[in-house]
Amino acid sequence: KQEVTQIPAALSVPEGENLVLNCSFTDSAIYNLQWFRQDPGKGLTSLLLIQSSQREQTSGRLNASLDKSSGRSTLYIAASQPGDSATYLCAVRMEEYGNKLVFGAGTILRVKS
Amino acid sequence: DAGVTQSPTHLIKTRGQQVTLRCSPISGHKSVSWYQQVLGQGPQFIFQYYEKEERGRGNFPDRFSARQFPNYSSELNVNALLLGDSALYLCASSLFLTPNTGELFFGEGSRLTVL
Repeated sequence: KQEVTQIPAALSVPEGENLVLNCSFTDSAIYNLQWFRQDPGKGLTSLLLIQSSQREQTSGRLNASLDKSSGRSTLYIAASQPGDSATYLCAVRMEEYGNKLVFGAGTILRVKS
Repeated sequence: DAGVTQSPTHLIKTRGQQVTLRCSPISGHKSVSWYQQVLGQGPQFIFQYYEKEERGRGNFPDRFSARQFPNYSSELNVNALLLGDSALYLCASSLFLTPNTGELFFGEGSRLTVL
């Protein structure tokens, strides 16, 4: 059974700091990994999707890496801003023809101004 | 273009009642999935539909059911509500089912409170 763990559970940093969020998964037989952002009481916003054959994806200040063999992904946020405060979730896809994602519990990020 | 839309946004029910949640996918998307997110946890997969057929089911009791309509919209039904069904119910859509085009886009969710 696939298990996804995110560390740390919560993180508080001053504005402008670069930070790394970690995601690990127990079964390396994944098809892709997706990072999401969730604001309190809201839905999920897709940030980055990394296919299993890729090593990293970048979007603006965000960079996500994937090491499938070791079961790890990191989300790097550069020059953090108060608007980045949210919960960040990673999810892995196990099936070639299916949209079932297995999620971690998330990292709650607070960026202080 | 409109994203994934869900209704209602909030609702309160009592134990034993039944609830229907609705979802409209992004225009052109043929796959809809439903997830349950309990406070403080990541979303859990409930159902997936593609071209009006069920293509996946998570570990949820038979009280949970869903369907997809010809216009690709979907409904999630939960019968005999329990206190533990209180959660944010999220709908996600994607163009197809294959991984290379399988980025999921989520709606804002329906917040269900069972008293």
